[in-house]
Amino acid sequence: DSGVTQTPKHLITATGQRVTLRCSPRSGDLSVYWYQQSLDQGLQFLIQYYNGEERAKGNILERFSAQQFPDLHSELNLSSLELGDSALYFCASSSGTVVEETQYFGPGTRLLVL
Amino acid sequence: QKEVEQDPGPLSVPEGAIVSLNCTYSNSAFQYFMWYRQYSRKGPELLMYTYSSGNKEDGRFTAQVDKSSKYISLFIRDSQPSDSATYLCAMRAGTYKYIFGTGTRLKVLA
Repeated sequence: DSGVTQTPKHLITATGQRVTLRCSPRSGDLSVYWYQQSLDQGLQFLIQYYNGEERAKGNILERFSAQQFPDLHSELNLSSLELGDSALYFCASSSGTVVEETQYFGPGTRLLVL
Repeated sequence: QKEVEQDPGPLSVPEGAIVSLNCTYSNSAFQYFMWYRQYSRKGPELLMYTYSSGNKEDGRFTAQVDKSSKYISLFIRDSQPSDSATYLCAMRAGTYKYIFGTGTRLKVLA
């Protein structure tokens, strides 16, 4: 158990809908990362937050947004969902304060868009 | 061309074999190199973390980085069936943007 929690574990929804994925980092970690993992694209970095502020951005679509709250949990919002958004979404956390930081991954949320 | 290339496998080896997993990359700015192991339906877990070139050993695992060839390797000695998983290489430059390989599926046969 990495100490990172993600809810829900599974999500089934329809095209055009909006969903929110939630992540709670390990105790003491200030940084949260979001990743998308699909069979053909592998693990894709979406976005990183550090202590409430956006720190780095990857290949995140405009239909997707994220935020980190004062209690350090984070939410990833996916809107106008398309079939191609079906994937595993992982959250990872790290201290965010050292050079050789270690990312700890949560168990993921499996999203299926029908 | 992808920034990081990794053979997807699957790679099947007998128990006790030495396994070699590799990634190549194109961005010479990458300085931090990582190997993750991912079991089916689980999140990736960090195995090895290497800064710049050189070797790093941890138990049965050895990570090598050759920046001149833009090539990194992970060796697993005395492989066990419990090592059966997908192995992901990852790297980053000075920023916090991580680039992952697509992963190599490894199966160690008892």
